[in-house]
Amino acid sequence: KAGVTQTPRYLIKTRGQQVTLSCSPISGHRSVSWYQQTPGQGLQFLFEYFSETQRNKGNFPGRFSGRQFSNSRSEMNVSTLELGDSALYLCASSLEGTYNQPQHFGDGTRLSIL
Amino acid sequence: AQKITQTQPGMFVQEKEAVTLDCTYDTSDPSYGLFWYKQPSSGEMIFLIYQGSYDQQNATEGRYSLNFQKARKSANLVISASQLGDSAMYFCAMREGLDTGRRALTFGSGTRLQVQP
Repeated sequence: KAGVTQTPRYLIKTRGQQVTLSCSPISGHRSVSWYQQTPGQGLQFLFEYFSETQRNKGNFPGRFSGRQFSNSRSEMNVSTLELGDSALYLCASSLEGTYNQPQHFGDGTRLSIL
Repeated sequence: AQKITQTQPGMFVQEKEAVTLDCTYDTSDPSYGLFWYKQPSSGEMIFLIYQGSYDQQNATEGRYSLNFQKARKSANLVISASQLGDSAMYFCAMREGLDTGRRALTFGSGTRLQVQP
């Protein structure tokens, strides 16, 4: 069974640009969450989608947005990029149902802002 | 206050020995779950073990076991018979409100484990 697939793996952008990251969850998983990982702030929750609806949102500015499609694939978008947005962005998917279902993570997209 | 605290930034262990990685948590929610993940230098997060707040027994998964002390709000990971491949960052994470269906995890700052031959 294929795991969570994130594209692209690496991305270099400049300040002020916008970026879109993509995530394909494990087949059958309808919940998709996004996290930002930086050396200073660690792993922080961005948002979670389920059935094309945002179910939960972390404490990030409105420049960070996301969406989920009917096939459960998800995208996140960051507009007006800042140097501090340089990070590893991780996508995770999980099954619904029992509460002990873990989130399964992709390899991440490493975003560098110049 | 930090919801998940991992007080050991780095740990060393000899190959084949056991090691305990500490994790304390803070929540007022009676329904929560605790997860441990491993992150090798390549970056992917690998799920290791889960403990629910209502679980009566400590969780075990192969060489991984969780020393869950609910009254002390601690959920320490024990790795037995360490292997060189266990060298990685280890994160403790919590999901609150298990009955809400939400999946968001709060992570600790991690512990870097180095296994020495």
